[in-house]
Amino acid sequence: GAVVSQHPSWVICKSGTSVKIECRSLDFQATTMFWYRQFPKQSLMLMATSNEGSKATYEQGVEKDKFLINHASLTLSTLTVTSAHPEDSSFYICSARRSGIGGEQFFGPGTRLTVL
Amino acid sequence: SQQGEEDPQALSIQEGENATMNCSYKTSINNLQWYRQNSGRGLVHLILIRSNEREKHSGRLRVTLDTSKKSSSLLITASRAADTASYFCATSTTSGTYKYIFGTGTRLKVLA
Repeated sequence: GAVVSQHPSWVICKSGTSVKIECRSLDFQATTMFWYRQFPKQSLMLMATSNEGSKATYEQGVEKDKFLINHASLTLSTLTVTSAHPEDSSFYICSARRSGIGGEQFFGPGTRLTVL
Repeated sequence: SQQGEEDPQALSIQEGENATMNCSYKTSINNLQWYRQNSGRGLVHLILIRSNEREKHSGRLRVTLDTSKKSSSLLITASRAADTASYFCATSTTSGTYKYIFGTGTRLKVLA
């Protein structure tokens, strides 16, 4: 099946720093990718839709200036958590939708962010 | 926003028993998927059921979909300790955005 990777798989950073997370579709092109956040023992909450070559669409309540999304190619989307704080500590998961009609979506393995 | 509500929130059963989880959603969908997630890990895709389908099977898994009631159920038969995980439904709406909205999840514990 199609593979989506995320890098890094985990990251620990100090409060105030910025962290970039990559989401790559390894063997297919993805015009659209999605970013989710999951707090402990909770469900996945959609943060934003990332479209190749255009601005991301953010869900209500998600700060676009804090969570910067760039989708510069058909196989890569990045999420940058700017000026991270302990409350941003979470599990971040991306999914990639295969380009074309009826494209399937595949999820990455997730990135665990811990902000000290 | 959360599209789906899952019921029960937590379920504890003995190995060999069947486990049933229910998912209700709010708006029209193109398809609904079920995922499993072990603690601290990524998602494992289980089954996709389209809006024009009523039932699908995969091994010990059986998924039903009732679009008139906006609900779906996941049945795991002859459960095993390895089935212990959280299970989520995710719906793709007809809005054309292709995004999936996840339900609240059911934490299943299978006791050996």
